[in-house]
Amino acid sequence: DTAVSQTPKYLVTQMGNDKSIKCEQNLGHDTMYWYKQDSKKFLKIMFSYNNKELIINETVPNRFSPKSPDKAHLNLHINSLELGDSAVYFCASSQQLAGAYNEQFFGPGTRLTVL
Amino acid sequence: QQQVKQSPQSLIVQKGGISIINCAYENTAFDYFPWYQQFPGKGPALLIAIRPDVSEKKEGRFTISFNKSAKQFSLHIMDSQPGDSATYFCAASGRGSTLGRLYFGRGTQLTVWP
Repeated sequence: DTAVSQTPKYLVTQMGNDKSIKCEQNLGHDTMYWYKQDSKKFLKIMFSYNNKELIINETVPNRFSPKSPDKAHLNLHINSLELGDSAVYFCASSQQLAGAYNEQFFGPGTRLTVL
Repeated sequence: QQQVKQSPQSLIVQKGGISIINCAYENTAFDYFPWYQQFPGKGPALLIAIRPDVSEKKEGRFTISFNKSAKQFSLHIMDSQPGDSATYFCAASGRGSTLGRLYFGRGTQLTVWP
């Protein structure tokens, strides 16, 4: 039983295209996140949703638009893809946003390659 | 600005040896310090975490040492095994503007030789 799942695992596309990545968690958590891991493995938070409400938007270009249809799902849509968007995108979830022990559970990642 | 600084970037240890990874932070709003382990092709997974009201936490072969006054914390892996070969990230989170955000160090690539 996968706790946090993402689709697709790999995404190869041309510059200028629009693409989406889907994320689902079956842990009953209230909070979900998107992280970007660059080619040097640096992990940086992009967005966080708590109970379907956008809580964190970490100065990400507005070509990136997250959408949370319900607490178990958080999708990421990217418009007008650029070469610099190539990275691994991780979805994560935690029981709550607040609290010192908000252990975040990460999905397996989506490797996006923009040609 | 890098909120959490991690060193070394890479570490090679013989099987049975001790692996030590160090992290430092500046933001006093941080009150939660987890370590994540990431294997190739996988997402990071929580390994062990500590709050600043204790100076040490041990889980099996993994120990976090925490120095609040120096704003430093470190991961010690005792009796390192080839299966421990992975990338390790320290992270920090806390109150106020840091709430809910995990700020990661740049990672340490650990290789344990058999």
